Amino acid sequence: RKEVEQDPGPFNVPEGATVAFNCTYSNSASQSFFWYRQDCRKEPKLLMSVYSSGNEDGRFTAQLNRASQYISLLIRDSKLSDSATYLCVVNRRGNEKLTFGTGTRLTIIP
Amino acid sequence: DVKVTQSSRYLVKRTGEKVFLECVQDMDHENMFWYRQDPGLGLRLIYFSYDVKMKEKGDIPEGYSVSREKKERFSLILESASTNQTSMYLCASSLGGRAGETQYFGPGTRLLVL
Repeated sequence: RKEVEQDPGPFNVPEGATVAFNCTYSNSASQSFFWYRQDCRKEPKLLMSVYSSGNEDGRFTAQLNRASQYISLLIRDSKLSDSATYLCVVNRRGNEKLTFGTGTRLTIIP
Repeated sequence: DVKVTQSSRYLVKRTGEKVFLECVQDMDHENMFWYRQDPGLGLRLIYFSYDVKMKEKGDIPEGYSVSREKKERFSLILESASTNQTSMYLCASSLGGRAGETQYFGPGTRLLVL
């Protein structure tokens, strides 16, 4: 089983819609969780950290479910500029290495 | 803002050549990482370093070596390039001292080995 699993998509969503995707992780000792965003042919950049209580940053909401070992990302009122690949990222066993999912590709359609 | 730079955006090399990829960060970060990214496989860790002259193998170190002579610079070396090392190479750095903290990436080097 992969350490971090994501649905690769693609998700094709009309502008203004709400879209959500999940990511599951296998290591129950994982402590830190992130969503990174990667635009086509660019480097990954941190979108947001994911906290136990859930957190929101504008149109983006991240949730963590430790019991079921998944994290989620919700994007409300989607914009064309949200088109990107979203990488689920989890730390390994409390150390400084991160494990990256293969990403979920999102395309917002005008 | 953290800035991570990589020496080349695109490189074309021949099989058997020795290849050097350089990465420099300007934020006095302790940790530096080298990944490769391939379609369908995501980012895979090649090597990382917690300190000057210190290195640890990642998940796929075979065919690669690294050097960290100065804190700000982390080099990836392909001793004898092979076609299966054609990939996007990404360098990253993080502050250090805490588990699972944010990593900041350079723009990447697309390497083609012919």
